[in-house]
Amino acid sequence: KAGVTQTPRYLIKTRGQQVTLSCSPISGHRSVSWYQQTPGQGLQFLFEYFSETQRNKGNFPGRFSGRQFSNSRSEMNVSTLELGDSALYLCASSWQTNTGELFFGEGSRLTVL
Amino acid sequence: AQTVTQSQPEMSVQEAETVTLSCTYDTSENNYYLFWYKQPPSRQMILVIRQEAYKQQNATENRFSVNFQKAAKSFSLKISDSQLGDTAMYFCAFKVFEGAQKLVFGQGTRLTINP
Repeated sequence: KAGVTQTPRYLIKTRGQQVTLSCSPISGHRSVSWYQQTPGQGLQFLFEYFSETQRNKGNFPGRFSGRQFSNSRSEMNVSTLELGDSALYLCASSWQTNTGELFFGEGSRLTVL
Repeated sequence: AQTVTQSQPEMSVQEAETVTLSCTYDTSENNYYLFWYKQPPSRQMILVIRQEAYKQQNATENRFSVNFQKAAKSFSLKISDSQLGDTAMYFCAFKVFEGAQKLVFGQGTRLTINP
C-alpha cells in the first residue's frame, strides 16, 4: 500500500507570493491533517480534514487555508507569504478518526526569500 | 491548553546500550493519548508507541517501552539494546481522547546511537 505522498517536496518562493501544497493520503484514510515544522516553534498543528470538512484548526492566521476533496486528497494554501512561513509542512493521514495514530508524508520544504 | 515538554534536546549513547528519553505534559483532561513519534534524518515521521491514559499498564513495542506516571504527568520512553537505526529525532505528543486528530508535540530529543 502506498504511503502518504506530498508534492512538491521542495519549493522556493518570494515574499508576497502564494503557494499550494498537495497531499495524497494512504488509500482508505479519510482524515488528513497538516503540521508546520520549524526549528524554533517545533511541530504545530495547522488543521485537520475529515470527509471534506475541517474538524479543527490551529492557531494560524487566515493566510493559511486548506481543503479536502471527495477522494480524500488535501491541499493547503498559504497566501501572501512571509519569511517566517519557511518551514517543513507535514501532512498526515489516518484511518481511524480518534486514536492519534498518524501516518506522515515526507513533507514539503518551503523556503521563502 | 495542553503543553508537552521534552527537557533533553540531545542525547547520545553507544550501540546496544539502553537509553531513556523524558517527557512531561500538562493537561486538565482525564482521558487522553500519549505518543512517541520518531523522525529519522530525511525520512518521514513514524509512530513508535502509544499509551491510553486510562490504561495503567505501560505500553511496550519490542525494544521500546514507556514509563507512564499519570499523577506526575510524566511519559518517558526507554529504548533497550539500541541500534544504529534508532538514530532520529524523537517527539513526545499528546492528544485529547475525543475529537479531531490534533496532536500537541514536544520540542523533540535528537538521539544519536554511536557504533
